[in-house]
Amino acid sequence: AAGVIQSPRHLIKEKRETATLKCYPIPRHDTVYWYQQGPGQDPQFLISFYEKMQSDKGSIPDRFSAQQFSDYHSELNMSSLELGDSALYFCASSPPLGPQFFGPGTRLTVL
Amino acid sequence: QQQVKQSPQSLIVQKGGISIINCAYENTAFDYFPWYQQFPGKGPALLIAIRPDVSEKKEGRFTISFNKSAKQFSLHIMDSQPGDSATYFCAASMMGAQKLVFGQGTRLTINP
Repeated sequence: AAGVIQSPRHLIKEKRETATLKCYPIPRHDTVYWYQQGPGQDPQFLISFYEKMQSDKGSIPDRFSAQQFSDYHSELNMSSLELGDSALYFCASSPPLGPQFFGPGTRLTVL
Repeated sequence: QQQVKQSPQSLIVQKGGISIINCAYENTAFDYFPWYQQFPGKGPALLIAIRPDVSEKKEGRFTISFNKSAKQFSLHIMDSQPGDSATYFCAASMMGAQKLVFGQGTRLTINP
């Protein structure tokens, strides 16, 4: 069965640089979510999109922005990176009113 | 403020034993309670989920028990195996909102 695809899987950036993370949801899933997971912590909700419109927003820094495109893939853009942004970033997708399925994640390291 | 509280933080169980992880929530608007299993460096994988209109749900060796009045739910893993060693997260969400609020996680180790 098709799963959520995330790219890149690993990303190393310097402080103050910009990063773009991509997510390709499971086909026919109408909602995409982004979560951030720090070392030894639980995933924290950042933002979600339903049918290409932002549907909910969590503790996402103003330096971050996201969007969902016409083909339903989503991108998380992170600017002015800080050391504290180093984390695993997960994308999840869900069918209408269905459970969330997570991708393999992108490990971002900010040096 | 942690909206979903999970315990214990870590748990060691012998092979063949029963692993029990507990979660408690405050927000009575939550109406969907999934459990996720996560291996190091991997994404959370959905194990089993329950809605508050039932008190128990079983899928294979995994059982969720739900106590609506106490606002608590738990995961039972029967006949625990070394391959079950992972971090387990409970979560909660509200119908319509759907963003997941996670517990702090339990690192489960099954000794052979």
